[in-house]
Amino acid sequence: AQTVTQSQPEMSVQEAETVTLSCTYDTSENNYYLFWYKQPPSRQMILVIRQEAYKQQNATENRFSVNFQKAAKSFSLKISDSQLGDTAMYFCAFMNYSGAGSYQLTFGKGTKLSVIP
Amino acid sequence: GAVVSQHPSWVICKSGTSVKIECRSLDFQATTMFWYRQFPKQSLMLMATSNEGSKATYEQGVEKDKFLINHASLTLSTLTVTSAHPEDSSFYICSARDLQRGGNEQFFGPGTRLTVL
Repeated sequence: AQTVTQSQPEMSVQEAETVTLSCTYDTSENNYYLFWYKQPPSRQMILVIRQEAYKQQNATENRFSVNFQKAAKSFSLKISDSQLGDTAMYFCAFMNYSGAGSYQLTFGKGTKLSVIP
Repeated sequence: GAVVSQHPSWVICKSGTSVKIECRSLDFQATTMFWYRQFPKQSLMLMATSNEGSKATYEQGVEKDKFLINHASLTLSTLTVTSAHPEDSSFYICSARDLQRGGNEQFFGPGTRLTVL
């Protein structure tokens, strides 16, 4: 079974600054994806960024980028130029696409991010 | 594209009654849908995986007879909470896979808040 660990229950950042959210995972699978989801107060889950494990290059989406360290099983999210709208819960998630439980998401416990004006 | 809806968004019911929650993929066909439960300030916990035309696969600890899942068409899955009790009060979220988009991402509905009195 996979596990996803987010060690920072809460974080805060000043508007326009940069913040990094941590995530580690444990798996014996070779074929998998990693995701960061955002859940604002509306509670709608929004995909922020996705990383295919077989790709060495770190994924980027505008102000969001990841630092994927496969050997260390680490998958951190960096948010640059933080905006007030980034205030939300952020969940790290794992999905394997072969073997038992394919295409199921395993979520971390989440990090509550507050952007301070 | 890839829009998932849920109905109702909020429901209050009396203890002992049954409640049905619908999850629809609006612009794609979803052979697989997932149901999650989220308690306040906690992460999403997978309850079951629903495949069109077959029986749902429930996660360990989830009562099949209490949480009835039906996936009768490629665009609709339903979750029925039978004989609901106050401890069933929670936020229920569905998601769906779109194979046309590669199937390696889950698209989430907006969630249903269930309150059992």
